[in-house]
Amino acid sequence: DIVMTQSPDSLAVSLGERATINCKSSQSVLYSSNNENYLGWYQQKPGQPPKLLINWASTRESGVPDRFSGSGSGTDFTLTISSLQAEDVAVYYCQQYLSTPLTFGGGTKVEIQ
Amino acid sequence: EVQLVESGGGLVQPGGSLRLSCEPSGFTFSNYWMSWVRQAPGKGLEWVATIKSDGSDKYYVDSVKGRFPISRDNAKNSLYLQMNSLRAEDTAVYYCARGALRHGWHFDLWGRGTLVIVSS
Repeated sequence: DIVMTQSPDSLAVSLGERATINCKSSQSVLYSSNNENYLGWYQQKPGQPPKLLINWASTRESGVPDRFSGSGSGTDFTLTISSLQAEDVAVYYCQQYLSTPLTFGGGTKVEIQ
Repeated sequence: EVQLVESGGGLVQPGGSLRLSCEPSGFTFSNYWMSWVRQAPGKGLEWVATIKSDGSDKYYVDSVKGRFPISRDNAKNSLYLQMNSLRAEDTAVYYCARGALRHGWHFDLWGRGTLVIVSS
């Protein structure tokens, strides 16, 4: 199984400041045949289901604000919120979809400082 | 409106059974892979099962294999999860999730979930 490890578990950031969330996979999720990273990021606000923000490690879903960006390759990935807004308070999860069982990171809780 | 609506959750005793349903709307259900993902209270996300668009192949996390068959009826626009031999550790909110069209293993649409509590 591919284990996904997120850090930190939580972080508090001032409004307008940058938030950075890390995700590390126990094996590479880069598929050599197409050079794609099988890695997604989800946002889950309190009392709501998860929402897909980014897939293929760096492709924003339609409608997702451009302050959200994903980067990384292989085993190390980052979700960056460039300028934190109040509505970004949530738990963020990474997910690998290279192989089953599909696995998620443990989540990172983002709060306002 | 494009949405997924789960139903069928509730309180059940250990060893009991429950059948979850998911009803899609606003999109062509038969074109998409569909999955169940669960979240224990206060915990993270755990993938449970996935079924291909035509129902030909099904995939499970080991902890539910043989207990939670996933199925779909494209004619009735419905997804199901039959939950048998339930255990306390199956207590969770169960989300129905749509696989992205290009690659069905990540999820671009989620329902609001249905809560399953396994307790005596």
